[in-house]
Amino acid sequence: AQSVTQPDIHITVSEGASLELRCNYSYGATPYLFWYVQSPGQGLQLLLKYFSGDTLVQGIKGFEAEFKRSQSSFNLRKPSVHWSDAAEYFCAVARSGTYKYIFGTGTRLKVLA
Amino acid sequence: GAGVSQSPSNKVTEKGKDVELRCDPISGHTALYWYRQSLGQGLEFLIYFQGNSAPDKSGLPSDRFSAERTGGSVSTLTIQRTQQEDSAVYLCASSSGQAQDTQYFGPGTRLTVL
Repeated sequence: AQSVTQPDIHITVSEGASLELRCNYSYGATPYLFWYVQSPGQGLQLLLKYFSGDTLVQGIKGFEAEFKRSQSSFNLRKPSVHWSDAAEYFCAVARSGTYKYIFGTGTRLKVLA
Repeated sequence: GAGVSQSPSNKVTEKGKDVELRCDPISGHTALYWYRQSLGQGLEFLIYFQGNSAPDKSGLPSDRFSAERTGGSVSTLTIQRTQQEDSAVYLCASSSGQAQDTQYFGPGTRLTVL
């Protein structure tokens, strides 16, 4: 069965510092991979997605993620965090060609001024 | 254009009462999804509608949960005889219908069962 692990429940970084949020998945073939962000009181917004091709994916708001098949990982990165990035981040996986997303439990990001 | 909307944004109910949660998907989107987000948990898939096909109800946690989609647009999630463990945020999403298409999420309905 597919599964997604986000090992960090909470992360705190200073504004301007770099950020990496970890995501590991369990799936036999190449899955579809997603990162969503949820701000307080808001729905989930897609940051980026990976289906195939270039393993480094650029998203909105200056985020990027790299698919590493050997490590079954899809970590989210941002070189310089802004206070407005404080939110909860969810990684999701779907079997290629299907609509069922499996979500991780999320990582809550706090940004210090 | 308008995104996915959900109503009410908050719902407080007493244990044993029935509740209805509404979702208006993005116009033209044929696929609609319901998820449940419990405290400290990820999003849990509940049900999926695609066009006129039979819905995928495999994620519904019990027979107290049901959902319908009228006219291929608006959807209602109904929880009968609510229990305290039903307290969660219920999220609706829609997409254009292709499997790999992005799911766009609404703001959710926060349900509290006293």
